[in-house]
Amino acid sequence: GQNIDQPTEMTATEGAIVQINCTYQTSGFNGLFWYQQHAGEAPTFLSYNVLDGLEEKGRFSSFLSRSKGYSYLLLKELQMKDSASYLCAVMDSNYQLIWGAGTKLIIKP
Amino acid sequence: GAVVSQHPSWVICKSGTSVKIECRSLDFQATTMFWYRQFPKQSLMLMATSNEGSKATYEQGVEKDKFLINHASLTLSTLTVTSAHPEDSSFYICSARVPPGEMETQYFGPGTRLLVL
Repeated sequence: GQNIDQPTEMTATEGAIVQINCTYQTSGFNGLFWYQQHAGEAPTFLSYNVLDGLEEKGRFSSFLSRSKGYSYLLLKELQMKDSASYLCAVMDSNYQLIWGAGTKLIIKP
Repeated sequence: GAVVSQHPSWVICKSGTSVKIECRSLDFQATTMFWYRQFPKQSLMLMATSNEGSKATYEQGVEKDKFLINHASLTLSTLTVTSAHPEDSSFYICSARVPPGEMETQYFGPGTRLLVL
């Protein structure tokens, strides 16, 4: 079966750095996505990785290792507004997105 | 990124009535749109894949006669919840796949919150 695993909840301090991990097992691979979802809102696109390595976009970076079936989202200089759920999703061989359950990130002052 | 709109954003209705939700891609043509449902504190659940000009493909456990999907044009897909019941109360979100040639991803509409009394 297809499976995406990520921690249910994480807590970090404002100004610090946090890494949210995601491991996956899917039938085929056409890219890995990270989305941010604030409570009561729809997800918004953050990043896309299809090749191994690190993609940096401002305070957010995303890493992919296809051989390990592993990705992480790195958030630097955390701000209170970063409190949200972070969803990892993998596009399988049929170009369907397989979703993780999301990681709720709590930022404390 | 691409813009997807949904209407209405909030619906409150009586049990037994039908509710139609519209999903529009505003600045691109979407041959494929997706309908998701999300219950509080749970992950997104794909309900169906909507392809322009053809029948929708429903996920296992989703009643196609209850959740009618029509993708009549390249910019509009509609989801009709027929004979809604309180257990259908949820957050319904559509997404649209960007056109070929662009990075393969989905952009989400803002969601429609349905409350069935």
